[in-house]
Amino acid sequence: DQQVKQNSPSLSVQEGRISILNCDYTNSMFDYFLWYKKYPAEGPTFLISISSIKDKNEDGRFTVFLNKSAKHLSLHIVPSQPGDSAVYFCAASSGAGSYQLTFGKGTKLSVIP
Amino acid sequence: EADIYQTPRYLVIGTGKKITLECSQTMGHDKMYWYQQDPGMELHLIHYSYGVNSTEKGDLSSESTVSRIRTEHFPLTLESARPSHTSQYLCASSGSPGAFFGQGTRLTVV
Repeated sequence: DQQVKQNSPSLSVQEGRISILNCDYTNSMFDYFLWYKKYPAEGPTFLISISSIKDKNEDGRFTVFLNKSAKHLSLHIVPSQPGDSAVYFCAASSGAGSYQLTFGKGTKLSVIP
Repeated sequence: EADIYQTPRYLVIGTGKKITLECSQTMGHDKMYWYQQDPGMELHLIHYSYGVNSTEKGDLSSESTVSRIRTEHFPLTLESARPSHTSQYLCASSGSPGAFFGQGTRLTVV
């Protein structure tokens, strides 16, 4: 049973517009959430994270929103750029220092010039 | 900047061969991980280590084995490669929630 779900396998957005990537989770023990960006044949690159004590974290063009009651988080990219085209993975971990990550299946973002 | 290295980047090998995928990090992290990813799928944890001489199996069953003799080194070994082992293998380390990943090894067993 998938504990972290990214229900949209792909998303296409015009350059300059907002990209919104969504992620749902089922495990209420998760208390730290991350977004990674991945190019084919490369390792994931950390983008942004959020602790469960917050509902928003912003870093430049990237903002992550967390809705704990809905067990939902989203990544907003504004403005979207062609270089943002990649697969984006949502990941979650539960505390107690394990730092093990549970990943979603990813959403492939295509930013069209 | 995160410094975690995997070699080789690509490997094509025949069935039955023994292989070792190398992973090294220079950040002094105690926690290290191996993930496996098939195209279009999530990353699955196959092994992890919380320090020297500590290794555990992850959520996804794997025929591979790992060792952790030094903090910075976490190699993965397949004693007898099979086509079903064809996948991308990603090594990671962390010193806080989250992880830094290496560039991965794309393994193809023919």
